[in-house]
Amino acid sequence: QQQVKQSPQSLIVQKGGISIINCAYENTAFDYFPWYQQFPGKGPALLIAIRPDVSEKKEGRFTISFNKSAKQFSLHIMDSQPGDSATYFCAASIRGRDDKIIFGKGTRLHILP
Amino acid sequence: DAGVIQSPRHEVTEMGQEVTLRCKPISGHDYLFWYRQTMMRGLELLIYFNNNVPIDDSGMPEDRFSAKMPNASFSTLKIQPSEPRDSAVYFCASSSDPRRQLSYGYTFGSGTRLTVV
Repeated sequence: QQQVKQSPQSLIVQKGGISIINCAYENTAFDYFPWYQQFPGKGPALLIAIRPDVSEKKEGRFTISFNKSAKQFSLHIMDSQPGDSATYFCAASIRGRDDKIIFGKGTRLHILP
Repeated sequence: DAGVIQSPRHEVTEMGQEVTLRCKPISGHDYLFWYRQTMMRGLELLIYFNNNVPIDDSGMPEDRFSAKMPNASFSTLKIQPSEPRDSAVYFCASSSDPRRQLSYGYTFGSGTRLTVV
């Protein structure tokens, strides 16, 4: 119930292509869905986040698509660049309750130059 | 602000020794989290504090692990005695009250890479 399942585990995309990472959850009480980006040797950093009352949020080349009925959400990286190569984590939380963010296992993304 | 500061960056120790990891959160943040990251298990929440008080330590793997937050600007995670399976990257993160933010997220430190041989 508390899990966030993320796929794929690793992903290789050509420069300029679209990178897509998918996540699914079970707990319908989750009301906040952030994505984190982690570069080697660094801690994860908040990239973009969405609430379930919207179906899509876009920030630059990064877009979250959210399907509340399917309990799924995904990250799309348009025009992927080598600098986007990193590990990406989806996450979920119940804001104002226990304030814990539950993370997916991560996707290691590599963009070919 | 310098962000969340963790020390040391790397620690190599022998099995059975005591290890202490340190964290300085961002000033003004109410919450502090300790995570462990491994390839197999990803990011695991070990314990978190709110206003220096431990709220949930259900992720602490064993009694060998303990964490303290004596004041708002300092926290420690101690492993005694350490074992090879404790080898991982340990992250500290802090945040302010999510109810005061439109976009809630943690600020992570750069982590401590622990190797127990």
